[in-house]
Amino acid sequence: ILNVEQSPQSLHVQEGDSTNFTCSFPSSNFYALHWYRWETAKSPEALFVMTLNGDEKKKGRISATLNTKEGYSYLYIKGSQPEDSATYLCAFDQAGTALIFGKGTTLSVSS
Amino acid sequence: DTGVSQNPRHKITKRGQNVTFRCDPISEHNRLYWYRQTLGQGPEFLTYFQNEAQLEKSRLLSDRFSAERPKGSFSTLEIQRTEQGDSAMYLCASRQKRPGAEAFFGQGTRLTVV
Repeated sequence: ILNVEQSPQSLHVQEGDSTNFTCSFPSSNFYALHWYRWETAKSPEALFVMTLNGDEKKKGRISATLNTKEGYSYLYIKGSQPEDSATYLCAFDQAGTALIFGKGTTLSVSS
Repeated sequence: DTGVSQNPRHKITKRGQNVTFRCDPISEHNRLYWYRQTLGQGPEFLTYFQNEAQLEKSRLLSDRFSAERPKGSFSTLEIQRTEQGDSAMYLCASRQKRPGAEAFFGQGTRLTVV
């Protein structure tokens, strides 16, 4: 069973703080690494899908980096806002197999 | 609405009963996934299909669970002889086969076994 680890498990920050989360995954047979945002009572929604070592992607205040050789990805949120409160999931996409998720990092942003 | 649709949204059943859930994926998506999510955990992989072929099934999945995608469109997940430990959110997702394709999720079916 593939192991996808996310840390921290949960995080509480103040509005305006910047924060980052880690996702580690197997470095073999890499195909893609996905990040999803999951708000309470909604479905997970894709933030980024990264396929190349060294990839960096950005969407507004959220960005992500990818290191496939060492098997990790970072998600950064700059200037956190209360509406960023959600669970952030990463998923490892290994060629020819299923999309395997980590347990997620739950972010709570206080105003 | 052309997103992923799951039915029912909620299901309460007595222990020992069988239940069946349905997932209608986005029409042009040939890959379909089933996941189970319990409190404090991420989505746990159950099984996935490429068109009508079931390509992988989690070793964690007991023989009481079965899934089908008969015509490569909608899929059903059946749980036989439900147990209290089956209580969870069951999520369906679909995506295209192409590299880098993101997955789109349904809103899930919340199962409660009493």
